[in-house]
This record gives sequence, structure tokens and C-alpha cells, in this order.
Amino acid sequence: EVQLVESGGGLLKPGGSLRLSCEASGFTFNNAWMSWVRQAPGKGLEWVGRIKSKTDGGTTEYAAPVKGRFTISRDDSKTTVYLEMTSLKIEDTAVYYCTHQHAYWGQGTVVTVSS
Amino acid sequence: QTVVTQEPSLTVSPGGTVTLTCASSTGAITSGYYPNWFQQKPGQAPRALIYSTSNKHSWTPARFSGSLLGGKAALTLSGVQPEDEAEYYCLLYYGGAYVFGTGTKVTVL
Repeated sequence: EVQLVESGGGLLKPGGSLRLSCEASGFTFNNAWMSWVRQAPGKGLEWVGRIKSKTDGGTTEYAAPVKGRFTISRDDSKTTVYLEMTSLKIEDTAVYYCTHQHAYWGQGTVVTVSS
Repeated sequence: QTVVTQEPSLTVSPGGTVTLTCASSTGAITSGYYPNWFQQKPGQAPRALIYSTSNKHSWTPARFSGSLLGGKAALTLSGVQPEDEAEYYCLLYYGGAYVFGTGTKVTVL
């Protein structure tokens, strides 16, 4: 059974930094392309970014609003993907989901940026 | 900035059929946009329904189908059930990055 468990969310002030984790199980993580998606309160889904498998180059892509501030990385030995967020803004407040090929989703972790 | 537009809301009767569409500000959608469709109910994570235009996941009910229609991606619900009341989102691929649609609220009434 595929499981994705996000963690690391919290409350922080504008300009702060945070690292989210997503631990995966139930599939061959080494070969997986992993994405992050977020949803602001009462709003729609917003694609954040993706990391390819190392065998496919391990490259990353980001949505324009987070490019240069967010970094996705992975540790295949821990079957975990990370989302490093810096220079956080109030508009980054959202539930953050990790997904495997947009087919399997975690339950999300809440990030609140407030002064 | 690319915008992917969906109908804000649609209402359908139980047992009826409804088609949701997904349009791109860049022009006609082709299979190269690999349209995906998702269902989301309040307080829940999204659930994937369709990938690559018309392919169903193993858990996708048979009454859901995906297609391309008049330059848009489309999701058709046939024989709608009360439990299909939800928000539906499309997702399109733009050569590296993805963009979600604005979402359609489907009400079963």
C-alpha cells in the first residue's frame, strides 16, 4: 500500500524558513518522481514543484511564485522528499501535500505564515 | 502567466450526466498536456481520477471518463451518484511545470 506522510508544518513569521518532509512507502522510491502541491485556505490547488528520480537526472522544476525561494530535494536512503522553504510570505500559508506522480497523495501538513 | 480555466460550478441530478471542461490560456489543449483530473471533498486530500487525458486509475469508478473536446480537456460523469458532489480540478503539463485549473464545484441535486 502506498503511503505518503508529510511533516514539519508550523506557524512562523514572514521572512522565516521551514523544511517539510514527506516519508514514502509502498513503492520503489528510487524510481519515483515526486511533487509538492499546496492549497491556501478556501482556495484551489496550486502546483509547487517536482523532483525527478536520480536515474532520470534528479532535476527539479518549480512554479513561478516559489522559484528561487523553495527547494525540493530527496534522500532515497530514507525514502523521503523535502521541501525547503525560505523567505516565507503570508501568501505561502497553505496545506502542503506531497504526491507520487500526482496519483498518490499524503494527507498534508499545514504551514501558517503570520506576523 | 498561464491560466487554466474551469466552470466555477455545475449542478446535476442524481443519475444524470455532466461534463466539466478545462481550458488553457495558451490555446487548444492536446494530449501533450497530459491532462489529469482530481476530485476533492471538504477536509480531504485530492483523489486522482484520470491521467494522460483518458486513463483511469485502478480505483476510478467506471462512471468517470476523460477526453479532449473542442480544444479543451473534459471530464464526464455519467450516472452521477450523490457521493460525486465535490470540487474537481484539472492539471495540465507545460513542458516541465504543471498548472492546476481553477476548479469546478459539482452539486448533485
